[in-house]
Amino acid sequence: DTAVSQTPKYLVTQMGNDKSIKCEQNLGHDTMYWYKQDSKKFLKIMFSYNNKELIINETVPNRFSPKSPDKAHLNLHINSLELGDSAVYFCASSLRLTGNTEAFFGQGTRLTVV
Amino acid sequence: AQSVTQPDIHITVSEGASLELRCNYSYGATPYLFWYVQSPGQGLQLLLKYFSGDTLVQGIKGFEAEFKRSQSSFNLRKPSVHWSDAAEYFCAVGGGSNYKLTFGKGTLLTVNP
Repeated sequence: DTAVSQTPKYLVTQMGNDKSIKCEQNLGHDTMYWYKQDSKKFLKIMFSYNNKELIINETVPNRFSPKSPDKAHLNLHINSLELGDSAVYFCASSLRLTGNTEAFFGQGTRLTVV
Repeated sequence: AQSVTQPDIHITVSEGASLELRCNYSYGATPYLFWYVQSPGQGLQLLLKYFSGDTLVQGIKGFEAEFKRSQSSFNLRKPSVHWSDAAEYFCAVGGGSNYKLTFGKGTLLTVNP
């Protein structure tokens, strides 16, 4: 069973469109995250949620809106897509919020905006 | 602010050779340190972590890392590299009530036959 699964794996879309990426974890973790990996492979946190509550919003444009319907799911909706949004987006989860817990990552969603 | 530096962008080793990937961190309190590996087109897999205790930690796939507080380092080592170890390696730091992992920029490992 996949621990952290995200869909779709690939997403190609035109500028200006709105798209969503879904993420689910079956680990029973309290905390979920979205990370963005740019073309130079640099990973940066975007959001974290703990028990459906937003904890971190790392100065991400408000075109990006995460939604956590329950603690097993954290979806990412992106409005008015721009070329610069092209990246790989990783969902992750951890048992709890504090730093002494490892994060488990999904396989990533490669978003290409044309 | 916490930060991680991986000085080597790209390292090439021969299969069977030893490997050391460098990682230096900046963090105001006791850090929690991680090494992740990313194979092409894949997600990140945890190799090992350091929270406390013995400063030499063992991980999966024969990797180990040593935490040196005086040098603010957490270098990853493997005595004999296999071709399947070719991948991107990321060092990360988190800590205490800090709610996020901060990653280094990664080191790409190429393994020559």
